[in-house]
Amino acid sequence: EIVLTQSPGTLSLSPGERATLSCRASQSVSSSYLAWYQQEPGRAPRLLIYGASSRATGIPDRFSGSGSGTDFTLTISRLEPEDFAVYYCQQYGSSLYTFGQGTKLEIK
Amino acid sequence: EVQLVESGGGLVQPGGSLRLSCAASGFTFSSYEMNWVRQAPGKGLEWVSYISSGGGTIYYADSVKGRFTISRDNAKNSLYLQMNSLRAEDTAVYHCARDRGYSYGRPFDYWGQGTLVTVSS
Repeated sequence: EIVLTQSPGTLSLSPGERATLSCRASQSVSSSYLAWYQQEPGRAPRLLIYGASSRATGIPDRFSGSGSGTDFTLTISRLEPEDFAVYYCQQYGSSLYTFGQGTKLEIK
Repeated sequence: EVQLVESGGGLVQPGGSLRLSCAASGFTFSSYEMNWVRQAPGKGLEWVSYISSGGGTIYYADSVKGRFTISRDNAKNSLYLQMNSLRAEDTAVYHCARDRGYSYGRPFDYWGQGTLVTVSS
């Protein structure tokens, strides 16, 4: 089973700043099968990025994904107040889906 | 508008059973693969189970294999999760999620709000 490790656990930034979230896999992941989600408190997760770098429908272009192999990154270019939430990466492989443990993005 | 609405959660004793349902609307349910994902209180997301569009292919996480059964009724636009031999560690909010499929890399593009399952004596 592929384990996804996200870092940092918590990221404290101010609106307008750039956020860089990391997702590292225990073994190589096909870029096609790497996704990122945002979850606000009390709400269901929302798909942001699929295929490592493709934005989902309706997702602002300040969100971007990159990476390959075992290292993937979610970047938020200029933080808006509504971006402060928890972010998860997810992969699919060998008939299993796994999620990272999440990165909490909080207001500094 | 795509909607996924879960129901069937509640309080159950250890060793007990519960059946969750997910009612789908706003899309052609029979054309999509579906999943169950859970989230323990204050914890992260954990994938539970997958079912193909026709129901012929099913996967489970090791943590629930042999205890949980996923199924679907395409005529009723509904997804189910039969949970048996429940344990305290199964306590979580259970979400159903639509799978976008292989050509998109299998992301979960729509999620329900979830139903809370609490396993406690």
